[in-house]
Amino acid sequence: GAVVSQHPSRVICKSGTSVKIECRSLDFQATTMFWYRQFPKQSLMLMATSNEGSKATYEQGVEKDKFLINHASLTLSTLTVTSAHPEDSSFYICSAPPQGKAEAFFGQGTRLTVV
Amino acid sequence: GDSVTQMEGPVTLSEEAFLTINCTYTATGYPSLFWYVQYPGEGLQLLLKATKADDKGSNKGFEATYRKETTSFHLEKGSVQVSDSAVYFCALGEGGYQKVTFGTGTKLQVIP
Repeated sequence: GAVVSQHPSRVICKSGTSVKIECRSLDFQATTMFWYRQFPKQSLMLMATSNEGSKATYEQGVEKDKFLINHASLTLSTLTVTSAHPEDSSFYICSAPPQGKAEAFFGQGTRLTVV
Repeated sequence: GDSVTQMEGPVTLSEEAFLTINCTYTATGYPSLFWYVQYPGEGLQLLLKATKADDKGSNKGFEATYRKETTSFHLEKGSVQVSDSAVYFCALGEGGYQKVTFGTGTKLQVIP
């Protein structure tokens, strides 16, 4: 089946620094990718829709300048958490639907800890 | 808006026990319903799905039936194995499968 690779799986960073998370579709092209965030004991919440070659679409309440999304190619989307703070600590996961298919495939997720 | 509520975990069962994880949903339209599974250290995988009322999704011995009258999609398995230990997410999708609304996830631990 289709494979989505997310990197890194875990990252610890200091407050005020920026962290980049990559989401790659390994064996298919994806014009759209989705970024989710999960708080402890809560649902996975959709943050934004990443569109290849155009601006991302952010969900209500998600800060665009805080969570920068770049979808520069048909196989790669990146999420950069800028000026990270402890409250940004969370589990981030991406998904990508292969072109022509309705089902989305998920990456392994990234556990971000900001200290 | 759409929402999914599933039972809190963790759920601990002995091998070969019967499993039920409850899931109910709220949606404005006629969503498709899913169960995703996340094994330790891996991404989410689609376990099963149902696209309309009374459909039954099944895979790897797991089953769930789309009950419109009770807005439920409970996950069941007759005899769990240690290898079933994972986190299970109930989810719904409208307008296609790409963008989904998830429940909080239920961690299942099966002990020998």
